[in-house]
Amino acid sequence: KQEVTQIPAALSVPEGENLVLNCSFTDSAIYNLQWFRQDPGKGLTSLLLIQSSQREQTSGRLNASLDKSSGRSTLYIAASQPGDSATYLCASPQGGSEKLVFGKGTKLTVNP
Amino acid sequence: NAGVMQNPRHLVRRRGQEARLRCSPVKGHSHVYWYRQLPEEGLKFMVYLQKENIIDESGMPKERFSAEFPKEGPSILRIQQVVRGDSAAYFCASSSPGGRNTGELFFGEGSRLTVL
Repeated sequence: KQEVTQIPAALSVPEGENLVLNCSFTDSAIYNLQWFRQDPGKGLTSLLLIQSSQREQTSGRLNASLDKSSGRSTLYIAASQPGDSATYLCASPQGGSEKLVFGKGTKLTVNP
Repeated sequence: NAGVMQNPRHLVRRRGQEARLRCSPVKGHSHVYWYRQLPEEGLKFMVYLQKENIIDESGMPKERFSAEFPKEGPSILRIQQVVRGDSAAYFCASSSPGGRNTGELFFGEGSRLTVL
């Protein structure tokens, strides 16, 4: 059974800092892993999708890596801005099913 | 290009009433998923549907909850005889015909149900 854990639960950094959010999963036989952003009271915005055959994906200031052997993914945010403040969620499939298993998220606050 | 559209965004019901939540997927997407987010909890899978078929409902409570995705029109998540514990944000997501295993999942803004 796939379990997804995100540490830390909350993170506060000053503006301009580079930061890393961590995601670990128990079933290394994954199809893909997806990172989302959720603003308070809003839905989820897809940030990056990494297929199992890939090691990383980049979009602007975001870079996500995937290490299946260790069951870990990281989301790197460069030059953080106050607008990056949100909860970041990672999710991975449950076995070979269509169910996506979510971590509880990391709440990021970037202080001006 | 409209994304996943959910309505209503907010719904208030008294205990024992029915709640109906609607979801229109991204145009061209034939896979719909419903997730529930309880306060201070992560998102939990409820059900996966394709047009006119329920593929996986293993996350649905055994009673009072049902879902459909008809040939025409939006997907509907129906909760009968609501109780306070049903208060949550209900999110709909869709993916392309390749399914979530090969493609991204796109989420709607959610429907927030409050049961008084």
